[in-house]
Amino acid sequence: DAGITQSPRHKVTETGTPVTLRCHQTENHRYMYWYRQDPGHGLRLIHYSYGVKDTDKGEVSDGYSVSRSKTEDFLLTLESATSSQTSVYFCAISALAGGSNEQFFGPGTRLTVL
Amino acid sequence: DAKTTQPNSMESNEEEPVHLPCNHSTISGTDYIHWYRQLPSQGPEYVIHGLTSNVNNRMASLAIAEDRKSSTLILHRATLRDAAVYYCIRLLGGGSNYKLTFGKGTLLTVNP
Repeated sequence: DAGITQSPRHKVTETGTPVTLRCHQTENHRYMYWYRQDPGHGLRLIHYSYGVKDTDKGEVSDGYSVSRSKTEDFLLTLESATSSQTSVYFCAISALAGGSNEQFFGPGTRLTVL
Repeated sequence: DAKTTQPNSMESNEEEPVHLPCNHSTISGTDYIHWYRQLPSQGPEYVIHGLTSNVNNRMASLAIAEDRKSSTLILHRATLRDAAVYYCIRLLGGGSNYKLTFGKGTLLTVNP
């Protein structure tokens, strides 16, 4: 199994509070991704990183920011959590981008915003 | 939009082969076909991918039609642990595509 961990695994928070989710990898892969999974929507990309300090937006990036100060860690921050951000968040990594390269996923973080 | 079409659900018996179909009739020449699966309460798991030729790995086989408009994921002997949602995904071959677009997938039920 690819070495990907996510923390915390479960979190309950209140509307308006800041939340940071952490993804940590031991594979030294260049690319890291944050997805959210909601019933009826499948997985949707929030942000991705193609190197240290290099990040870009995905399809549902509003309300989220990311940071990657070192290869192994990719942080997802909800500056002011809202109930619509209740979801399961998955981190993924890949060595390269593009169609010939698989992504490996972490175990997920279940976030509930009350 | 890189759409694929899969049956909503399929059922199999343990230790029998399973053939999961996927239609991707609008596929272009540089699109790869990827399969992922997601077990209950877990993150998606990479299964296999291919471009033109059939592919085999320790988990499954991927049979790609000659015109590439469809493909089939083959689990040679289904086990109870194979019960999951299986996603068929098209990915552009170039380096510019970063996201996996998951549809609804096929829910595979394996009967003991």
